[in-house]
Amino acid sequence: GENVEQHPSTLSVQEGDSAVIKCTYSDSASNYFPWYKQELGKRPQLIIDIRSNVGEKKDQRIAVTLNKTAKHFSLHITETQPEDSAVYFCAASTNAGKSTFGDGTTLTVKP
Amino acid sequence: DAGVIQSPRHEVTEMGQEVTLRCKPISGHDYLFWYRQTMMRGLELLIYFNNNVPIDDSGMPEDRFSAKMPNASFSTLKIQPSEPRDSAVYFCASSLGAGNTIYFGEGSWLTVV
Repeated sequence: GENVEQHPSTLSVQEGDSAVIKCTYSDSASNYFPWYKQELGKRPQLIIDIRSNVGEKKDQRIAVTLNKTAKHFSLHITETQPEDSAVYFCAASTNAGKSTFGDGTTLTVKP
Repeated sequence: DAGVIQSPRHEVTEMGQEVTLRCKPISGHDYLFWYRQTMMRGLELLIYFNNNVPIDDSGMPEDRFSAKMPNASFSTLKIQPSEPRDSAVYFCASSLGAGNTIYFGEGSWLTVV
């Protein structure tokens, strides 16, 4: 089955700096790669996603890149703010409907 | 739409009791997922359904766990008998089509004492 590895498990940055979280996947059939943000005590919510026919996607301060050959994708957050502090999960999905999540990255943005 | 609706939001039960968690997916969504989240094991997929049919239950930890989806708007996850190690947040989620955004409910926080 699919295996998704996510790094780092914790990340601490100063407000205004950039944060990068990386994920690798194993199943070449995976073609949809969403990123979720989970604040303490809340549900995971989608922040950005990318499909396998696209190499990069950007939404304001958030961007995601995908390298299908190397089977890895990354989340980039620029100009971080304290409210960006949360746990971030990557996931890889196939046309069979199954989504496999990474173990999560706890991001702390220090004011 | 009200989103994915789960109940109960919080439950505290004694070891050995039966626990039933309920979920109403977003109307029109054809995929329904049950996830379990703990500090130790992260977000685990327990089972998922497509058009009310279980597709993959390989994540169900053991026979004490069972899930049903009798119709397109309702699913249950049952634990019988419950054990302290079942304490976790159980998320129900749904999506429209395969390989699309998964929308999570607010979770059912289960504590087994």
